[in-house]
Amino acid sequence: GENVEQHPSTLSVQEGDSAVIKCTYSDSASNYFPWYKQELGKRPQLIIDIRSNVGEKKDQRIAVTLNKTAKHFSLHITETQPEDSAVYFCAASITGYSTLTFGKGTMLLVSP
Amino acid sequence: NAGVTQTPKFQVLKTGQSMTLQCAQDMNHEYMSWYRQDPGMGLRLIHYSVGAGITDQGEVPNGYNVSRSTTEDFPLRLLSAAPSQTSVYFCASSHEENTEAFFGQGTRLTVV
Repeated sequence: GENVEQHPSTLSVQEGDSAVIKCTYSDSASNYFPWYKQELGKRPQLIIDIRSNVGEKKDQRIAVTLNKTAKHFSLHITETQPEDSAVYFCAASITGYSTLTFGKGTMLLVSP
Repeated sequence: NAGVTQTPKFQVLKTGQSMTLQCAQDMNHEYMSWYRQDPGMGLRLIHYSVGAGITDQGEVPNGYNVSRSTTEDFPLRLLSAAPSQTSVYFCASSHEENTEAFFGQGTRLTVV
């Protein structure tokens, strides 16, 4: 089955810095890659997703890039703010299999 | 819309007891899933359903049963609770595969 590796497990940055979280996947048939943010004690919520027919997607301070050849995708957060502090999960899915495989998460801490 | 509603929010069980975690969604979503979240392990899929009457196993199905008699409800049953089932459980639903998954608020289960 699909395996998703996520790095780093923890990331500390200063407010205003950029943060990058990287994920690799094992199954070349994967074609949907969402990112979820989970604040402490809350439910995961989708922040951005990308499909295999595009290489990059942006939404304000958040961007995701996809390299299908290398089978990795990354989340980029610019101008980080304390409210960006949370656990971020990447995931991968294959059309026809109806399930998401998640990475183990990255705890992002943004210090004022 | 309430979205995805899970009950209870907290539960303590004794080893060997059985219980049902409830999950209901009011978005008319066909796809529903159960995940467990353990520290450092991310979100692992227990069981999922692609529609009423259809269920399938995920990555960690042992010790759990599910059924999907209606589109709205997807209960998770613990047959004989074990300390290894101490975890936070999330139910999620989505309209189609490879679209946003909406999560419930989670159930924190402790088995003593």
